Parts: sequence; C-alpha cells; structure tokens
Amino acid sequence: DQQVKQNSPSLSVQEGRISILNCDYTNSMFDYFLWYKKYPAEGPTFLISISSIKDKNEDGRFTVFLNKSAKHLSLHIVPSQPGDSAVYFCAARARYNFNKFYFGSGTKLNVKP
Amino acid sequence: SQTIHQWPATLVQPVGSPLSLECTVEGTSNPNLYWYRQAAGRGLQLLFYSVGIGQISSEVPQNLSASRPQDRQFILSSKKLLLSDSGFYLCAWSVFSGRARGTQYFGPGTRLTVL
Repeated sequence: DQQVKQNSPSLSVQEGRISILNCDYTNSMFDYFLWYKKYPAEGPTFLISISSIKDKNEDGRFTVFLNKSAKHLSLHIVPSQPGDSAVYFCAARARYNFNKFYFGSGTKLNVKP
Repeated sequence: SQTIHQWPATLVQPVGSPLSLECTVEGTSNPNLYWYRQAAGRGLQLLFYSVGIGQISSEVPQNLSASRPQDRQFILSSKKLLLSDSGFYLCAWSVFSGRARGTQYFGPGTRLTVL
C-alpha cells in the first residue's frame, strides 16, 4: 500500500525553464513533507520541507507547495539548471510516528542545456 | 557540522553468506538512526530505526537485523543473504530539536549485490 506516490517516473525540461515535480499522498495524518534530491550511487540530499500548517515554502530556486484538500505536493525549480538533473523523492511523515517517513518512488529530472 | 559514514561503498556477496554494514555519525549526540533499502527502480523502504543504544524498531519482517552498540553507531546484519536482499542500503540520522526537527539526513549508501 503506497501512501506516497510520484506518478511521473521522468521529466525533461529545458535549461532556464520551470521544473514542476508532483507528489500525491493518501494519509490525512501526514503533517510534515520533504523533498530529497539523489544522484546515482549517492545518498539522498535534503532539499526543502514544509509543515502541514503551511501551503508554501520557498528556498532560493526551490519552492514547495502543499494542497491539503487535494493531498498533493509539488516542487517548483526556477530557473532549472543542468546540475539539477537527478532523481527527486518526496517523503511524508505521520504525526503519530515521527520516525517513519514514507517515500515516493522518485522522478528522474533531466535538464537539457 | 554533522557527518555520516557508511562502509563499504559496494559489496558483492554469495547467497547464504553473512552480512555486516556499518554506519557512524559524527557531530551530533543522541541521534535517531535509520536503515533504508532502495531496490532497483523503487522508492526508499524503511527497514529499522533506533531512538537509543540497544533500542531497535523493525518495520519490515525479513532476514535482516540491526543493532546499535554505541550512541552513534548503527549496524545492519544478516546471517544468510538471499538474492532478494540485493539493493542500495542507506543509513540516515535525525534529531528532534532545532529548526529542522525530524528531517532525516542520509549517508552515501552501500550497493549490495547478492549472487
């Protein structure tokens, strides 16, 4: 039972344009959401997070949007750069267990020069 | 600053052999520690987590086990590896204080291939 889903396995974007990565979840008890970036053969790197009390969090070129009614999370990267090419995972944590994160299957972003 | 180490980086083991993967964290005290596995083309699956020395919670029944002999050391073991144990194993840590409460930070990972 996958509680966090990333339905797009891959995304290709031109350099300088916006990249939008999407994530859906099913558990209404999730209260903390994160995005990680992963290069091949490396561990995921934390990018940005958002609490369920907010609907937007911004950090430089990265913005995460949370739509609780739709149980939908998105990551916007503006402008996209070739170095952003990686696999992006979204993750969610439930308020009843701070230690358990549920990860999506990832979206591979390719930013073309 | 905090650093997390994992070794070995890659490992090829025959079916039925034992396994020991080690993870250590520097620069923080009393971290929560985690073992994840990423199978090919899949997301990250939480295997074990630990909130303190000797305290292990198992998330998925399997032939793997975990131990935490010291505050900043987390070990993943198996007595007999299966083909299905192949994957990318990640250790992570988190603390529940400060601005990034509960955010998990990952090590570089170990690529395990069971033949």
